[in-house]
Amino acid sequence: QVPLVESGGGVVQPGGSLRLSCAASGFTFNKYGMHWVRQTPGKRLEWVAFATHDGGNTNYADSVRGRFTISRDNSKDTLYLQMNSLKTEDTGVYYCTKGNEIDYWGRGTLVFVSS
Amino acid sequence: QVVVTQSPSASASLGASIKLTCTLSSGQENYAIAWHQQLPEKGPRFLMKLNKDGSHKKGDGIPDRFSGSSSGAERFLTISSLQSEDEADYYCQTWGTGIQVFGGGTKLTVL
Repeated sequence: QVPLVESGGGVVQPGGSLRLSCAASGFTFNKYGMHWVRQTPGKRLEWVAFATHDGGNTNYADSVRGRFTISRDNSKDTLYLQMNSLKTEDTGVYYCTKGNEIDYWGRGTLVFVSS
Repeated sequence: QVVVTQSPSASASLGASIKLTCTLSSGQENYAIAWHQQLPEKGPRFLMKLNKDGSHKKGDGIPDRFSGSSSGAERFLTISSLQSEDEADYYCQTWGTGIQVFGGGTKLTVL
């Protein structure tokens, strides 16, 4: 069982939207805060967004606040990232991660923003 | 604001040891970190969680050649008996309430 599987990436024009999903398994999803983290083409790792275990509280990096929305459906053990008004600098591989120290990395999903 | 700093590059000879450093910002000296390895063309892999007292817990399958230690605001990753497959980028990561923070990574070259 792979604990975290990201999907939903693709190629999109600037200003477009994408919705990423992260299917969780093998652990009690509703007990963990979850993050989205991205790796840029220059290989820099950037934290993007966070949701508490129940989704009641969220936090965002300044670079995405107001454009991205993190949410979760604990009945489906799934984390989401709605990305609107995409910019070229949002290009990267997006990973969902569990808890504080990242003890597992999925394969990620590639988002490519280009005209 | 939590900041973690890493040297951008390091190198050592095959069979030697190397100690990579991750420095926490002032006021964050008590923070734990995690070390991650990224091989060329691969995704990151968790190596270990490293606490302020130097105790660490490694991920599954991480060889004994990899160890961690701490001193003040510095967190170290030591790789002994370097092998060619250790040539990779190494990232440190810490966290605060509702955020993750990453260092810029150290590119390790095995000579």
